[in-house]
Amino acid sequence: DQQVKQNSPSLSVQEGRISILNCDYTNSMFDYFLWYKKYPAEGPTFLISISSIKDKNEDGRFTVFLNKSAKHLSLHIVPSQPGDSAVYFCAASGGGNTGNQFYFGTGTSLTVIP
Amino acid sequence: NAGVTQTPKFRVLKTGQSMTLLCAQDMNHEYMYWYRQDPGMGLRLIHYSVGEGTTAKGEVPDGYNVSRLKKQNFLLGLESAAPSQTSVYFCASRQTSGGARTGELFFGEGSRLTVL
Repeated sequence: DQQVKQNSPSLSVQEGRISILNCDYTNSMFDYFLWYKKYPAEGPTFLISISSIKDKNEDGRFTVFLNKSAKHLSLHIVPSQPGDSAVYFCAASGGGNTGNQFYFGTGTSLTVIP
Repeated sequence: NAGVTQTPKFRVLKTGQSMTLLCAQDMNHEYMYWYRQDPGMGLRLIHYSVGEGTTAKGEVPDGYNVSRLKKQNFLLGLESAAPSQTSVYFCASRQTSGGARTGELFFGEGSRLTVL
Protein backbone atom coordinates (compact mmCIF):
# COMPACT_ATOMS: atom_id res chain seq x y z
CA ASP A 1 0.00 0.00 0.00
CA GLN A 2 1.56 3.24 -1.19
CA GLN A 3 1.86 5.60 1.77
CA VAL A 4 3.25 8.46 -0.31
CA LYS A 5 1.54 9.26 -3.60
CA GLN A 6 2.40 11.47 -6.51
CA ASN A 7 -0.61 11.30 -8.78
CA SER A 8 0.85 13.23 -11.70
CA PRO A 9 3.40 11.12 -13.59
CA SER A 10 4.45 14.06 -15.73
CA LEU A 11 4.27 17.84 -15.96
CA SER A 12 5.30 20.28 -18.69
CA VAL A 13 5.93 23.95 -18.00
CA GLN A 14 7.25 26.87 -20.02
CA GLU A 15 10.59 28.33 -19.00
CA GLY A 16 10.15 31.20 -16.56
CA ARG A 17 6.76 30.01 -15.32
CA ILE A 18 5.96 28.30 -12.04
CA SER A 19 6.16 24.53 -11.66
CA ILE A 20 3.97 22.98 -8.97
CA LEU A 21 4.52 19.37 -8.03
CA ASN A 22 2.13 17.68 -5.63
CA CYS A 23 2.41 14.87 -3.13
CA ASP A 24 -0.10 13.23 -0.79
CA TYR A 25 0.52 10.92 2.13
CA THR A 26 -1.67 8.65 4.21
CA ASN A 27 0.30 7.97 7.39
CA SER A 28 -0.48 10.57 10.07
CA MET A 29 2.75 9.60 11.87
CA PHE A 30 4.87 11.17 9.12
CA ASP A 31 6.46 14.38 10.37
CA TYR A 32 9.45 14.97 8.11
CA PHE A 33 9.18 15.44 4.37
CA LEU A 34 11.75 15.82 1.63
CA TRP A 35 11.95 16.44 -2.11
CA TYR A 36 14.55 14.82 -4.33
CA LYS A 37 15.52 15.47 -7.92
CA LYS A 38 16.78 12.74 -10.20
CA TYR A 39 18.44 12.93 -13.59
CA PRO A 40 18.68 9.81 -15.80
CA ALA A 41 21.49 7.41 -14.85
CA GLU A 42 22.22 9.34 -11.65
CA GLY A 43 21.23 8.93 -8.03
CA PRO A 44 18.57 11.16 -6.48
CA THR A 45 19.87 14.41 -5.01
CA PHE A 46 18.32 16.25 -2.09
CA LEU A 47 16.47 19.48 -2.84
CA ILE A 48 14.57 20.69 0.18
CA SER A 49 12.89 19.41 3.33
CA ILE A 50 10.24 20.45 5.81
CA SER A 51 9.28 19.26 9.26
CA SER A 52 5.71 19.15 10.48
CA ILE A 53 6.21 22.08 12.82
CA LYS A 54 6.35 24.33 9.75
CA ASP A 55 3.98 24.89 6.87
CA LYS A 56 6.49 26.45 4.49
CA ASN A 57 10.20 26.22 3.75
CA GLU A 58 12.00 28.20 1.11
CA ASP A 59 15.41 27.79 -0.52
CA GLY A 60 16.11 30.03 -3.47
CA ARG A 61 13.76 29.14 -6.32
CA PHE A 62 12.34 26.18 -4.41
CA THR A 63 9.54 26.37 -1.84
CA VAL A 64 7.82 23.46 -0.15
CA PHE A 65 4.37 23.87 1.39
CA LEU A 66 2.90 21.45 3.90
CA ASN A 67 -0.81 21.11 4.68
CA LYS A 68 -0.98 18.65 7.56
CA SER A 69 -4.76 18.56 7.80
CA ALA A 70 -4.98 17.56 4.15
CA LYS A 71 -1.89 15.34 4.33
CA HIS A 72 -0.57 17.16 1.30
CA LEU A 73 2.67 18.84 0.33
CA SER A 74 3.73 20.65 -2.77
CA LEU A 75 6.97 21.86 -4.32
CA HIS A 76 6.97 25.18 -6.14
CA ILE A 77 9.78 26.08 -8.53
CA VAL A 78 9.87 29.73 -9.57
CA PRO A 79 11.03 30.58 -12.16
CA SER A 80 11.37 27.22 -13.88
CA GLN A 81 14.52 26.64 -15.92
CA PRO A 82 15.35 23.99 -18.55
CA GLY A 83 17.92 22.51 -16.17
CA ASP A 84 15.08 21.71 -13.78
CA SER A 85 13.85 19.03 -16.18
CA ALA A 86 14.13 15.83 -14.15
CA VAL A 87 12.10 13.37 -12.12
CA TYR A 88 11.06 14.68 -8.71
CA PHE A 89 10.34 12.39 -5.79
CA CYS A 90 8.75 13.31 -2.51
CA ALA A 91 9.60 11.29 0.58
CA ALA A 92 8.35 11.07 4.14
CA SER A 93 9.38 9.64 7.48
CA GLY A 94 7.84 9.72 10.91
CA GLY A 95 7.68 8.55 14.47
CA GLY A 96 7.13 5.09 15.83
CA ASN A 97 8.26 2.24 13.63
CA THR A 98 8.51 4.53 10.59
CA GLY A 99 11.05 6.85 12.18
CA ASN A 100 14.11 5.45 10.46
CA GLN A 101 12.48 4.63 7.15
CA PHE A 102 11.90 7.01 4.28
CA TYR A 103 8.93 6.28 2.04
CA PHE A 104 9.04 7.62 -1.51
CA GLY A 105 6.37 8.51 -4.00
CA THR A 106 6.40 7.23 -7.58
CA GLY A 107 7.85 10.46 -8.97
CA THR A 108 6.77 13.23 -11.32
CA SER A 109 8.72 13.85 -14.50
CA LEU A 110 9.05 17.60 -15.04
CA THR A 111 9.85 19.01 -18.47
CA VAL A 112 10.66 22.70 -18.71
CA ILE A 113 10.21 23.90 -22.27
CA PRO A 114 12.63 26.64 -23.40
CA ASN B 1 35.31 13.11 -0.85
CA ALA B 2 33.52 10.38 -2.84
CA GLY B 3 30.27 10.33 -0.82
CA VAL B 4 28.36 7.10 -1.49
CA THR B 5 29.93 4.64 -3.92
CA GLN B 6 28.21 1.56 -5.31
CA THR B 7 29.87 -1.39 -7.05
CA PRO B 8 29.28 -2.79 -9.56
CA LYS B 9 27.45 -0.22 -11.69
CA PHE B 10 26.04 -2.86 -14.05
CA ARG B 11 25.58 -6.61 -13.80
CA VAL B 12 23.77 -9.28 -15.78
CA LEU B 13 22.88 -12.49 -13.97
CA LYS B 14 21.18 -15.72 -14.88
CA THR B 15 18.25 -16.94 -12.83
CA GLY B 16 19.50 -18.74 -9.73
CA GLN B 17 22.90 -17.08 -9.60
CA SER B 18 24.01 -15.17 -6.55
CA MET B 19 25.73 -11.83 -6.24
CA THR B 20 26.56 -9.05 -3.79
CA LEU B 21 26.24 -5.32 -4.25
CA LEU B 22 28.65 -3.23 -2.23
CA CYS B 23 27.90 0.22 -0.87
CA ALA B 24 30.64 2.31 0.70
CA GLN B 25 30.30 5.75 2.27
CA ASP B 26 33.08 8.00 3.50
CA MET B 27 30.95 10.49 5.45
CA ASN B 28 30.95 8.51 8.72
CA HIS B 29 27.16 8.22 8.56
CA GLU B 30 25.38 5.97 11.01
CA TYR B 31 22.38 5.06 8.86
CA MET B 32 22.50 3.21 5.53
CA TYR B 33 19.75 2.06 3.19
CA TRP B 34 19.17 -0.07 0.11
CA TYR B 35 16.37 0.90 -2.28
CA ARG B 36 15.22 -0.45 -5.59
CA GLN B 37 13.66 1.64 -8.34
CA ASP B 38 11.23 0.16 -10.80
CA PRO B 39 9.13 1.91 -13.47
CA GLY B 40 5.92 3.28 -11.98
CA MET B 41 6.90 2.12 -8.48
CA GLY B 42 9.22 4.84 -7.29
CA LEU B 43 11.88 3.98 -4.74
CA ARG B 44 11.10 1.10 -2.40
CA LEU B 45 13.12 0.31 0.71
CA ILE B 46 14.63 -3.18 0.81
CA HIS B 47 16.69 -3.16 4.03
CA TYR B 48 18.34 -0.58 6.19
CA SER B 49 20.83 -0.27 9.03
CA VAL B 50 20.96 2.16 11.93
CA GLY B 51 24.54 1.31 12.85
CA GLU B 52 27.39 -1.13 12.54
CA GLY B 53 26.23 -4.69 13.17
CA THR B 54 22.50 -3.87 12.86
CA THR B 55 20.06 -4.44 10.01
CA ALA B 56 16.30 -4.18 9.61
CA LYS B 57 13.72 -5.04 6.97
CA GLY B 58 12.10 -2.43 4.79
CA GLU B 59 9.08 -2.61 2.49
CA VAL B 60 10.32 -5.29 0.07
CA PRO B 61 12.95 -7.46 1.84
CA ASP B 62 12.09 -10.88 0.40
CA GLY B 63 14.87 -12.45 -1.67
CA TYR B 64 17.57 -10.16 -0.28
CA ASN B 65 20.01 -10.28 2.61
CA VAL B 66 22.22 -7.53 3.99
CA SER B 67 25.19 -7.14 6.28
CA ARG B 68 26.82 -4.15 8.00
CA LEU B 69 30.07 -5.49 9.41
CA LYS B 70 31.83 -2.16 9.09
CA LYS B 71 30.28 1.26 9.61
CA GLN B 72 31.26 2.48 6.16
CA ASN B 73 30.00 -0.54 4.20
CA PHE B 74 26.54 -1.97 3.59
CA LEU B 75 26.27 -5.11 1.46
CA LEU B 76 23.16 -6.29 -0.37
CA GLY B 77 23.07 -9.95 -1.35
CA LEU B 78 20.91 -11.91 -3.72
CA GLU B 79 21.23 -15.62 -2.92
CA SER B 80 19.23 -16.92 -5.88
CA ALA B 81 18.45 -14.21 -8.40
CA ALA B 82 15.03 -14.07 -10.06
CA PRO B 83 13.86 -12.03 -13.08
CA SER B 84 11.63 -10.04 -10.70
CA GLN B 85 14.80 -8.66 -9.13
CA THR B 86 15.75 -6.91 -12.36
CA SER B 87 15.92 -3.31 -11.19
CA VAL B 88 18.10 -0.33 -10.44
CA TYR B 89 19.43 -0.47 -6.89
CA PHE B 90 20.34 2.61 -4.91
CA CYS B 91 22.26 2.81 -1.70
CA ALA B 92 21.90 5.81 0.60
CA SER B 93 23.33 7.00 3.87
CA ARG B 94 22.21 9.50 6.46
CA GLN B 95 23.58 11.19 9.51
CA THR B 96 21.50 12.35 12.41
CA SER B 97 22.54 14.74 15.12
CA GLY B 98 21.64 14.72 18.79
CA GLY B 99 19.33 11.78 18.29
CA ALA B 100 17.14 13.76 15.91
CA ARG B 101 15.50 11.78 13.16
CA THR B 102 15.89 14.50 10.56
CA GLY B 103 18.70 14.57 8.05
CA GLU B 104 18.52 13.91 4.37
CA LEU B 105 19.58 10.78 2.52
CA PHE B 106 22.68 10.89 0.34
CA PHE B 107 22.41 8.50 -2.59
CA GLY B 108 24.90 6.61 -4.69
CA GLU B 109 24.71 6.60 -8.48
CA GLY B 110 22.89 3.30 -8.67
CA SER B 111 23.57 -0.26 -9.80
CA ARG B 112 21.61 -1.65 -12.74
CA LEU B 113 20.95 -5.36 -12.36
CA THR B 114 19.41 -7.56 -15.05
CA VAL B 115 18.37 -11.12 -14.28
CA LEU B 116 17.77 -13.29 -17.33
